[in-house]
Amino acid sequence: RKEVEQDPGPFNVPEGATVAFNCTYSNSASQSFFWYRQDCRKEPKLLMSVYSSGNEDGRFTAQLNRASQYISLLIRDSKLSDSATYLCVVSHSGAGSYQLTFGKGTKLSVIP
Amino acid sequence: GAVVSQHPSWVICKSGTSVKIECRSLDFQATTMFWYRQFPKQSLMLMATSNEGSKATYEQGVEKDKFLINHASLTLSTLTVTSAHPEDSSFYICSARDTMTGVAFFGQGTRLTVV
Repeated sequence: RKEVEQDPGPFNVPEGATVAFNCTYSNSASQSFFWYRQDCRKEPKLLMSVYSSGNEDGRFTAQLNRASQYISLLIRDSKLSDSATYLCVVSHSGAGSYQLTFGKGTKLSVIP
Repeated sequence: GAVVSQHPSWVICKSGTSVKIECRSLDFQATTMFWYRQFPKQSLMLMATSNEGSKATYEQGVEKDKFLINHASLTLSTLTVTSAHPEDSSFYICSARDTMTGVAFFGQGTRLTVV
């Protein structure tokens, strides 16, 4: 089983739609969780951290389910500018080392 | 927000030469930095994890003698691609983890073309 798994998509949704991505992780000792977005030919940029209680930032809502080992990202009222690849990131530290594991990303295309 | 500066943003070099890429965290300390490579239309591939003051940890299949990593300070890591070949042409991205918050921020990336 891959450490961090995401549906690669693409998700093609109309403007204004609500879309949700899930991401599963295999290491139950994972400690921190993030969503990044990456535009074509650009570096990934932090979208939001994911907290145990769930968190919201404008149109974006992230949730964490530790029991089932998955995190989700919900985008409401999709905009054309939301088109990007969304990367699920999981971190784990221990024995003096720190690991940051990326999913392969889910591609979102918002169409007019 | 936190800024990671990666330099150069693009470089073209001759086959057989070496190229050094710098990654600096500008307003935070980064005990851990990461180096990735990304080929067109593919996902990020972790090459190595760099820890300040110690040797880097390389991922399987990444040659440590070819991709030299130095993390001499809490704000700077460098990746040197030695004896570059055309197959090394790629988009190299660094990431620095803010020691205080645990969040990782990315540099702008370096597009390397070896001719």
